[in-house]
Amino acid sequence: SQQGEEDPQALSIQEGENATMNCSYKTSINNLQWYRQNSGRGLVHLILIRSNEREKHSGRLRVTLDTSKKSSSLLITASRAADTASYFCASHGSSNTGKLIFGQGTTLQVKP
Amino acid sequence: EPEVTQTPSHQVTQMGQEVILRCVPISNHLYFYWYRQILGQKVEFLVSFYNNEISEKSEIFDDQFSVERPDGSNFTLKIRSTKLEDSAMYFCASNGQASNQPQHFGDGTRLSIL
Repeated sequence: SQQGEEDPQALSIQEGENATMNCSYKTSINNLQWYRQNSGRGLVHLILIRSNEREKHSGRLRVTLDTSKKSSSLLITASRAADTASYFCASHGSSNTGKLIFGQGTTLQVKP
Repeated sequence: EPEVTQTPSHQVTQMGQEVILRCVPISNHLYFYWYRQILGQKVEFLVSFYNNEISEKSEIFDDQFSVERPDGSNFTLKIRSTKLEDSAMYFCASNGQASNQPQHFGDGTRLSIL
């Protein structure tokens, strides 16, 4: 079974609009992390939310976590063209090996 | 800000050949990882490494794969006899004092098997 399923797979919005991406996971987690990937580049960590947290903010980012539904959402407010990238959630389980399980990702296009 | 660096950025290899992908993690980090991303697919975990040994590996990481930290700075992934399906982006990552911290990724090596 796959973990970290995300929707939508692709999202196209106008600059200034908000973008919401959702992620589901299957096993218990220690934390859930969101990463951004620009085309042809590595992943950049955006935000981490622990399993005992429900909401977290960082600048224009807002992440929620619902452990009862095994789901998380990432909201980017007042989007900019520079936010165009792929966004991945990654679940960190209860093992202490650091293994991250990534979702399929959402490709976000922000039109100027 | 310190970075994870990977070389080469692109490696083209004939099927059946050995390939070594190199990574220099952030200097004070203790946990090291390799992931791969087949074109258009999600990032997949390969292996985690701590205290000079593998702490976890995935089903993908079979006997053809090995990792090594030969000195205090490099972390390498070796594929002994490459297959066409090994073509992918390979990402190295590291994190600091605890394995559940955010991971820092390199820009990856694009491996193309002909």
